[in-house]
Amino acid sequence: GESVGLHLPTLSVQEGDNSIINCAYSNSASDYFIWYKQESGKGPQFIIDIRSNMDKRQGQRVTVLLNKTVKHLSLQIAATQPGDSAVYFCAENLVGGSARQLTFGSGTQLTVLP
Amino acid sequence: ETGVTQTPRHLVMGMTNKKSLKCEQHLGHNAMYWYKQSAKKPLELMFVYSLEERVENNSVPSRFSPECPNSSHLFLHLHTLQPEDSALYLCASSQDRGAEAFFGQGTRLTVV
Repeated sequence: GESVGLHLPTLSVQEGDNSIINCAYSNSASDYFIWYKQESGKGPQFIIDIRSNMDKRQGQRVTVLLNKTVKHLSLQIAATQPGDSAVYFCAENLVGGSARQLTFGSGTQLTVLP
Repeated sequence: ETGVTQTPRHLVMGMTNKKSLKCEQHLGHNAMYWYKQSAKKPLELMFVYSLEERVENNSVPSRFSPECPNSSHLFLHLHTLQPEDSALYLCASSQDRGAEAFFGQGTRLTVV
């Protein structure tokens, strides 16, 4: 069945370095992807999204790359800061009939080291 | 603040209790969701409401009963829960189904 998964469950980076969080998806028909950030004790918060007609989208310090050929999504965080420490989820919009809904991966824990 | 408010933030209940979780959004969204988040597992979609009509029920046990009285409010009624139901319950809303979801802070539920 369709699934959204992450390559690494944990990632530690030095403050100031760039972070790359990866996500694989299996449904080539998916047309919308979102990255969420979840800090401890809080609900997931939208970071950035991308539609399947694009391969790159940039926000403030974040960039999402979409490679439809290999069904891979990545989130790049520039100059990682302590406040970036959180769990990051990718979500995939599964297209199909009345079941149009977001499906989430299991998340990557990003830890920023001082 | 995302515009989605959940109460209570924390809840401890016995297996014979009946309690309700409340979610409120004033974003003008048409779709509302209940998700369950357990440790080290992906977010599990429980229920979807679109325009106040339940359109999705992902094989959730009947001890969880949702209610959507209007487009701004969503409830999750709980009764005779099991310890394995302990989790973070998240409410979300979106403009339309499948669009960017805005989440509440969640209710941390512990069943004892």
